[in-house]
Amino acid sequence: AQSVTQLDSQVPVFEEAPVELRCNYSSSVSVYLFWYVQYPNQGLQLLLKYLSGSTLVKGINGFEAEFNKSQTSFHLRKPSVHISDTAEYFCAVGHSGAQKLVFGQGTRLTINP
Amino acid sequence: NAGVTQTPKFRILKIGQSMTLQCTQDMNHNYMYWYRQDPGMGLKLIYYSVGAGITDKGEVPNGYNVSRSTTEDFPLRLELAAPSQTSVYFCASSTDGGEQPQHFGDGTRLSIL
Repeated sequence: AQSVTQLDSQVPVFEEAPVELRCNYSSSVSVYLFWYVQYPNQGLQLLLKYLSGSTLVKGINGFEAEFNKSQTSFHLRKPSVHISDTAEYFCAVGHSGAQKLVFGQGTRLTINP
Repeated sequence: NAGVTQTPKFRILKIGQSMTLQCTQDMNHNYMYWYRQDPGMGLKLIYYSVGAGITDKGEVPNGYNVSRSTTEDFPLRLELAAPSQTSVYFCASSTDGGEQPQHFGDGTRLSIL
């Protein structure tokens, strides 16, 4: 069975500082990986996805993530955050033949001025 | 494209009442999902469907029912509403269960008093 662990439940950072949100997964088969963002009182919006190819994936709003198969990780990064990046971030994993994705518990990113 | 549309956006129910949360998608997606999200928590899968006429339980199905008579619609029924069902409910759809991202609606905020 697959599982996803988001290692930090909350991450506070200062505006314009870099940030990394960590996601580790466990799976015995090849995976497909996703990061979602949920702004307050909204639904989940896809930030980026890794399906195949380059392990460095670029998404919307200046975010990027790197798939590391040996470390079974898919950490999300942004070099300089803005107040508007305050949100909940969810990592999700799937595999071929699966009927659903497995979501992590979320990381709350708080940006301080 | 409207994507995934959920109605209503807000609802207050009395204990013991019943209601149906509507979800419709216009992307011709076979896979559809219902999640609940409690305050400060992640997503919990209630029910899902891999196509018209096929539904299956998620991790928290008790107190809910679903049907999938068409590809577009996936209503969630609450029978005998209880305070523990106070939550935000999200519907999502996808072209593939494990290889593609899910597209989320904006949610229904439900309070049971």
